[in-house]
Amino acid sequence: QQQVKQSPQSLIVQKGGISIINCAYENTAFDYFPWYQQFPGKGPALLIAIRPDVSEKKEGRFTISFNKSAKQFSLHIMDSQPGDSATYFCAARGGQNFVFGPGTRLSVLP
Amino acid sequence: KAGVTQTPRYLIKTRGQQVTLSCSPISGHRSVSWYQQTPGQGLQFLFEYFSETQRNKGNFPGRFSGRQFSNSRSEMNVSTLELGDSALYLCASSLTGANTEAFFGQGTRLTVV
Repeated sequence: QQQVKQSPQSLIVQKGGISIINCAYENTAFDYFPWYQQFPGKGPALLIAIRPDVSEKKEGRFTISFNKSAKQFSLHIMDSQPGDSATYFCAARGGQNFVFGPGTRLSVLP
Repeated sequence: KAGVTQTPRYLIKTRGQQVTLSCSPISGHRSVSWYQQTPGQGLQFLFEYFSETQRNKGNFPGRFSGRQFSNSRSEMNVSTLELGDSALYLCASSLTGANTEAFFGQGTRLTVV
């Protein structure tokens, strides 16, 4: 119940395309859902986050869609750029610690 | 505002030794969490400290311990190192922990040989 499932494991997108990463959770006590971006050799950086009382949040080219009834949320990267190539982690917070998805390695081809 | 600072960045230790890693959170943040990141297991929660008290703990053996000082700086200690402890150790700081944004440091890459 503490797991967060994430798919796909890896994703290749052409420059300008849309990247979509999906996550699902079971624990209804989770109430904060961030996405992190991690470049090789760096720590994860907070990208965008959403709370379950909102169905969508957009920040620039990044959008989170949240479906509370299905217990799913997704990250959409519009107009994907080669600089977006990184590993993306979804996470869910319940209490004081996060549970992370296994990550999606995104490659954006020039 | 300075970010989360972890020292050292890289460490090489021998099996059986012990190691101490340090994390300085963002100024004003009182919660520090530690995570282990490996290619096989992903990001796994170790423990969280708030106001010098361990508030939450993950499923790691007792060889992994930590503490937090009055200035919110935190240390993590691993005793009797095993090869499988080789990983990137990350700390994250947040204002209070619960439902607040968490910011990660760059991590300490520990290699056990």
